[in-house]
Amino acid sequence: DTAVSQTPKYLVTQMGNDKSIKCEQNLGHDTMYWYKQDSKKFLKIMFSYNNKELIINETVPNRFSPKSPDKAHLNLHINSLELGDSAVYFCASSPSYDNEQFFGPGTRLTVL
Amino acid sequence: AQSVAQPEDQVNVAEGNPLTVKCTYSVSGNPYLFWYVQYPNRGLQFLLKYITGDNLVKGSYGFEAEFNKSQTSFHLKKPSALVSDSALYFCAVRDYYGNNRLAFGKGNQVVVIP
Repeated sequence: DTAVSQTPKYLVTQMGNDKSIKCEQNLGHDTMYWYKQDSKKFLKIMFSYNNKELIINETVPNRFSPKSPDKAHLNLHINSLELGDSAVYFCASSPSYDNEQFFGPGTRLTVL
Repeated sequence: AQSVAQPEDQVNVAEGNPLTVKCTYSVSGNPYLFWYVQYPNRGLQFLLKYITGDNLVKGSYGFEAEFNKSQTSFHLKKPSALVSDSALYFCAVRDYYGNNRLAFGKGNQVVVIP
């Protein structure tokens, strides 16, 4: 009974490729997030959706495009991958902004 | 904008000794404060939160944290550390009246020595 799931767990790809990471939550939460964790373990918010509406859009290159087809899903598409995109990407969800967030297991992206 | 400082990079403690992980925060309004733990190759797990009420908050796995408004601190504590507590600990804060962003600290690596 995985609460927040992400696929794939590992993603190795060449520079310039386009890739997607999928996230699903079965908790019935209204709010979903994408975070990037770099090699020094710094965690930074990228996007947040509330009921399929984009709420937070940090200073992220427009090569990154989130899509929320419904409240339970938040996918992340990345165009023209660069070496600096290598990181672990975490999806999370919460009932609202006041509550704790539940994190997925992460997707380790390696760009060669 | 809200921010969190976790001054130590690594905390080493002997098994059975008390564990403290420090966190100070900065917000313009009243804070919502959280602690999360990350085990190797895993996502973050929620430990505890302070929203309002009693300054001493109890959470999962025997952890607790004390909210101190005058010192703008929210230190995480455990009376007796276990080897299995070795992990990366993140403090996070959200401004009650501000934007919806949760600001995370840089994380503290806790090493519990058997």
